[in-house]
Amino acid sequence: DSGVTQTPKHLITATGQRVTLRCSPRSGDLSVYWYQQSLDQGLQFLIQYYNGEERAKGNILERFSAQQFPDLHSELNLSSLELGDSALYFCASSVGGRIFSGNTIYFGEGSWLTVV
Amino acid sequence: EDKVVQSPLSLVVHEGDTVTLNCSYEVTNFRSLLWYKQEKKAPTFLFMLTSSGIEKKSGRLSSILDKKELFSILNITATQTGDSAIYLCAGEYGNKLVFGAGTILRVKS
Repeated sequence: DSGVTQTPKHLITATGQRVTLRCSPRSGDLSVYWYQQSLDQGLQFLIQYYNGEERAKGNILERFSAQQFPDLHSELNLSSLELGDSALYFCASSVGGRIFSGNTIYFGEGSWLTVV
Repeated sequence: EDKVVQSPLSLVVHEGDTVTLNCSYEVTNFRSLLWYKQEKKAPTFLFMLTSSGIEKKSGRLSSILDKKELFSILNITATQTGDSAIYLCAGEYGNKLVFGAGTILRVKS
C-alpha cells in the first residue's frame, strides 16, 4: 500500500458524460500527479500540482481539468467523454515539487474508467 | 521529442533464470531514470538512477545507468514467479516522467 488513495476504483459511464476522479496523497506529500494509462499509449503524464498550484502540464486534453484543494487532495475532471478516454487513471504523490534529488513519487491503485 | 524505449516488449523465462531488461532514452535536460514494477495495479518504485556507472541493488534486482550511451539496464537474478510483472522505466526531466511502454516479464515455475 503506497498510501495514495484513489476513488472510485472502477466506473462505467456513457459518452458525452462527465466524471470526477479523486485522489488523496500520502500524508505529508505536497505534490500530486495525474497519469493516464491506456493499452495503446502506455503511461502518460497529464498534470502536476504542488501545494495547490499547477506545477507542470503534460498531454492533458482541454476537456480534462484538475485542481488541488487546501487539504491537498486533488480531483481530475473529465468531461464530454469519448470512447478513447477509457483508461486507467493514476494519481501519484511526492513530498517535494521536483522528482530529482531522490524525491520519489508513489502511485495510487488507479481508477478504471470505461466509457461506453 | 522526449522518448523512452524499452526492450524486449515481453519475455518468458523459467524460475531461476537471470533476465536483463533494457531501457534507452532521449530526454531533454535529463535528470534521472526510474524503474517501476507494475503488477495488477499501481506501479511500485524500484530504483532511481542519477549517476552514470553506479549500480543500485536491492536483493536480486540491480540496475545501472550509462549516461553517455543513454541507456539503463535492470537485472533480475534467480527469477521467481513473483517477479512476473510489467517493468516500466521512465526518464525524468523537470517534474515530468516520460515512461516507456514497459517490458512484460512472465516467470514460469
